[in-house]
Amino acid sequence: KNEVEQSPQNLTAQEGEFITINCSYSVGISALHWLQQHPGGGIVSLFMLSSGKKKHGRLIATINIQEKHSSLHITASHPRDSAVYICAVRRPTYNTDKLIFGTGTRLQVFP
Amino acid sequence: EAGVAQSPRYKIIEKRQSVAFWCNPISGHATLYWYQQILGQGPKLLIQFQNNGVVDDSQLPKDRFSAERLKGVDSTLKIQPAKLEDSAVYLCATLVGLAGGPGGELFFGEGSRLTVL
Repeated sequence: KNEVEQSPQNLTAQEGEFITINCSYSVGISALHWLQQHPGGGIVSLFMLSSGKKKHGRLIATINIQEKHSSLHITASHPRDSAVYICAVRRPTYNTDKLIFGTGTRLQVFP
Repeated sequence: EAGVAQSPRYKIIEKRQSVAFWCNPISGHATLYWYQQILGQGPKLLIQFQNNGVVDDSQLPKDRFSAERLKGVDSTLKIQPAKLEDSAVYLCATLVGLAGGPGGELFFGEGSRLTVL
């Protein structure tokens, strides 16, 4: 079993829909990151969470440390949101942090 | 994303040739990761540095891959000799902030796309 699980693996939406991507993890973490990767593109960090909730434009990320669960929400989705969204957790070990990636969620938003 | 520069962006070589990739973060990025991302898959960790020391290279194919981070800033990843299955994007990422702490920010380079023919 992967230490970081994401669901769904693939997601298709119509423009304007509200989208939720979930991430569950089984290890102790110091922080969780939501990342975005467009086809053929590099990876961009969207959020870093260690507690609570963060909002940036149409994107909202929440984390529940007790339940080891985080969600990424996209309100009023747009075709330009089409990308792979990756949840990555930082697991502290000795003097550094291991970075463990989820399997990613491929989102396609159609006009 | 400002903060990590990678070069070259693209490289095409024949099998058994060698190749080197560079990662140039802004000074102060203590933790540096090299990942291999094969098309359609998630990133796979190759090696992790804390300053100029290696903290995890368990998944680095050491018979052909090598990496170093002199002076704890820039890093190079080398493949010699390359195989067809090494075709992938090689990503460099850095973590700014205290290890084990709740803060910190991740930076990713644009990646270096390698094609081995």
